[in-house]
Amino acid sequence: AQSVTQLDSQVPVFEEAPVELRCNYSSSVSVYLFWYVQYPNQGLQLLLKYLSGSTLVKGINGFEAEFNKSQTSFHLRKPSVHISDTAEYFCAAVFGQNFVFGPGTRLSVLP
Amino acid sequence: DGGITQSPKYLFRKEGQNVTLSCEQNLNHDAMYWYRQDPGQGLRLIYYSQIVNDFQKGDIAEGYSVSREKKESFPLTVTSAQKNPTAFYLCASSPGVWANYGYTFGSGTRLTVV
Repeated sequence: AQSVTQLDSQVPVFEEAPVELRCNYSSSVSVYLFWYVQYPNQGLQLLLKYLSGSTLVKGINGFEAEFNKSQTSFHLRKPSVHISDTAEYFCAAVFGQNFVFGPGTRLSVLP
Repeated sequence: DGGITQSPKYLFRKEGQNVTLSCEQNLNHDAMYWYRQDPGQGLRLIYYSQIVNDFQKGDIAEGYSVSREKKESFPLTVTSAQKNPTAFYLCASSPGVWANYGYTFGSGTRLTVV
């Protein structure tokens, strides 16, 4: 079955530290990949997306992600987090005509 | 600015009542979607519509109904048949179905059964 896995349900990190949120997907065929952020009681906002081309994708708020086809991964990174980055982060993938979301990772930035 | 508007933001429903959640978009998007979000379960697809007057069931359509009479509007009715309707409901739209477009999301409606 096509699936998106986010192994870490919660990630606590201190302010100004780097962070990596992991995402793996199940398919080895061509796939489009996305990262969304959700702040409390709000909808999802697109952070970045990979469609083709360079495997390093830069998004908003200083986030970036790297597409690794051999490892079927699309990990999200930020070199220095802020308190305002505290939110839920969702990885998503398009397999053919199926748009599949991961279960989400709650990032908590501590002062 | 273009976007998706969901209303109301908070909604309370009594047992046995039907309620309708509104979703309006001015992005001229063809496709619209309804998702349900429960803590720790991510997003689950309820219904989607690729075009006016057409819609398809998602993974958890039981107890829900939709209509798509206008391109801009995709209301969701939570019927009394939905046994556990308390959740956060998200509406989304995209220029076309799935593929590489990604979605634009509304700000959500939190439904609580009292």
